[in-house]
Amino acid sequence: DTGVSQDPRHKITKRGQNVTFRCDPISEHNRLYWYRQTLGQGPEFLTYFQNEAQLEKSRLLSDRFSAERPKGSFSTLEIQRTEQGDSAMYLCASSFGGGTGEQYFGPGTRLTVT
Amino acid sequence: QQQVKQSPQSLIVQKGGISIINCAYENTAFDYFPWYQQFPGKGPALLIAIRPDVSEKKEGRFTISFNKSAKQFSLHIMDSQPGDSATYFCAVIMGAGNMLTFGGGTRLMVKP
Repeated sequence: DTGVSQDPRHKITKRGQNVTFRCDPISEHNRLYWYRQTLGQGPEFLTYFQNEAQLEKSRLLSDRFSAERPKGSFSTLEIQRTEQGDSAMYLCASSFGGGTGEQYFGPGTRLTVT
Repeated sequence: QQQVKQSPQSLIVQKGGISIINCAYENTAFDYFPWYQQFPGKGPALLIAIRPDVSEKKEGRFTISFNKSAKQFSLHIMDSQPGDSATYFCAVIMGAGNMLTFGGGTRLMVKP
């Protein structure tokens, strides 16, 4: 399967703990996006990378959130000191840069903060 | 500030019927209008998309109608099938980063 993969698929954590999610994009895609989706809502943009450079961050991305994409390959999204409001599906997508390149989404990581 | 308003929130259609989902936007700078389909436990997948210089685009049973003056676009699913039961999101794209802004979603159920 050469699609976007995310790990883990589900994560349950206690409030105040740190969590890290991983995204492996389609190998030839140079852009990688993170979105957050809460129940019954559309996904909301968090941040995106072109190669290893993080080019834009949403105001939704508080200072407890950090994302990296070392060497322009996989990406990690870390949430520090989790809060119950962080409970959501975290989606990763990748695309070719430029034009209106279609974004291919992964299956997401479902985070539950208890 | 909700940049894309989608309606209805839910829709029930009989098999063989036409499903119609509508979206309205405010910012005339948006330059690409895709529709995504999402099944439970899966990420969204691109269904069909249109540029603002075209009024209609058809792919199989799926058609986008675009009304630039009214700042509205809609998805029509002809001959709806139970397998079409999913959540549908309209979206807009603007800017060099191609970040997607999604509508609130429409949960479609097609009854056999």
